[in-house]
Amino acid sequence: QKEVEQNSGPLSVPEGAIASLNCTYSDRGSQSFFWYRQYSGKSPELIMSIYSNGDKEDGRFTAQLNKASQYVSLLIRDSQPSDSATYLCAVNIILTGGGNKLTFGTGTQLKVEL
Amino acid sequence: DVKVTQSSRYLVKRTGEKVFLECVQDMDHENMFWYRQDPGLGLRLIYFSYDVKMKEKGDIPEGYSVSREKKERFSLILESASTNQTSMYLCASSFPHRGNQPQHFGDGTRLSIL
Repeated sequence: QKEVEQNSGPLSVPEGAIASLNCTYSDRGSQSFFWYRQYSGKSPELIMSIYSNGDKEDGRFTAQLNKASQYVSLLIRDSQPSDSATYLCAVNIILTGGGNKLTFGTGTQLKVEL
Repeated sequence: DVKVTQSSRYLVKRTGEKVFLECVQDMDHENMFWYRQDPGLGLRLIYFSYDVKMKEKGDIPEGYSVSREKKERFSLILESASTNQTSMYLCASSFPHRGNQPQHFGDGTRLSIL
């Protein structure tokens, strides 16, 4: 089982719709979760972080975390063509000895169609 | 804003060459990371460092080494470049605090080994 799993997509949504991106993780001890957006040929850009169960909203973006189900999601409201990108889920895993490692999913490609 | 600068956007080298990729950050971050990103495989951690002179192996360290002589600079070294090291290389940095700090990425270096 992969440590962080995402559906690779592509996920296609019409402009103005809600895009829902999902991520599951295997380490029950994980405490920090991040969503990155990556445009083609560019580097990942942090868009959301979430640390506790529930919802966290920032503009058109809402991150949702359910630690019991080991599930984190990203909702994008009023999707725009400029939201078309690959969205990476990242989970921070605490290592033995006190270090930590950010493990990334392979990403979900989102296409917002006119 | 966090600024992570990678020395080259594109680099072409020959098999067997020793290759240096440089990364500098201006936010006084203790943690620095090197990843490679390949289609279908996502981001994979090569090496990371929590402090000057410190280094830790990531998931795929074979064929690579790193150097961190100054806090702001983290270098990735391909000891003897091979064609299977053709990839996008991404540097990232973050504050510590047990993993609840997000990582910020540089623009990436697309390295081709011929």
